[in-house]
Amino acid sequence: DTGVSQNPRHKITKRGQNVTFRCDPISEHNRLYWYRQTLGQGPEFLTYFQNEAQLEKSRLLSDRFSAERPKGSFSTLEIQRTEQGDSAMYLCASRTAGGDEQFFGPGTRLTVL
Amino acid sequence: GESVGLHLPTLSVQEGDNSIINCAYSNSASDYFIWYKQESGKGPQFIIDIRSNMDKRQGQRVTVLLNKTVKHLSLQIAATQPGDSAVYFCAEAGNQFYFGTGTSLTVIP
Repeated sequence: DTGVSQNPRHKITKRGQNVTFRCDPISEHNRLYWYRQTLGQGPEFLTYFQNEAQLEKSRLLSDRFSAERPKGSFSTLEIQRTEQGDSAMYLCASRTAGGDEQFFGPGTRLTVL
Repeated sequence: GESVGLHLPTLSVQEGDNSIINCAYSNSASDYFIWYKQESGKGPQFIIDIRSNMDKRQGQRVTVLLNKTVKHLSLQIAATQPGDSAVYFCAEAGNQFYFGTGTSLTVIP
């Protein structure tokens, strides 16, 4: 499968715990995006990378959210001290820098109890 | 800031009929728009895109119309099929992508 992959697909955690999600983009795509999607809403942009550089992070929801892409390939999104309001689908997408189309992964569904 | 919205949250159509899904945007400087389809439990899937130098673009059974004067775009699906049932989003695209709320399309067999 050469599409965008995300792991885990589902995560259930208790409030206050830290969680980390992984995204593996399409291999030749140097841009990687993270979104959050709640029920009935469109994806909400969080941050994006071009290679290993994080070019936009002002829309990360709070300082509990952080993302990395250390080698310019896979990326991780970490949420510290999770809250019930963090329950959502977290989507990753990738594209080439000069390309238009963005390819989405299947998402990680987070449930915070 | 950017704002992308959809006029109708739900739409039901009979199989074989044409569907029209509308979207309004607020940033007049936007020059690229995409329609996505999202099925339950899956990530959004690209359907069709259009640049601001075009008014219309056609794909297979889908047509996107862009009216820059009123900042409105629409997605037309011809001969709607049960497999078209999904949530449809328009997105305003640049370095970042801004999505609308979505319209849930239900196709009645």
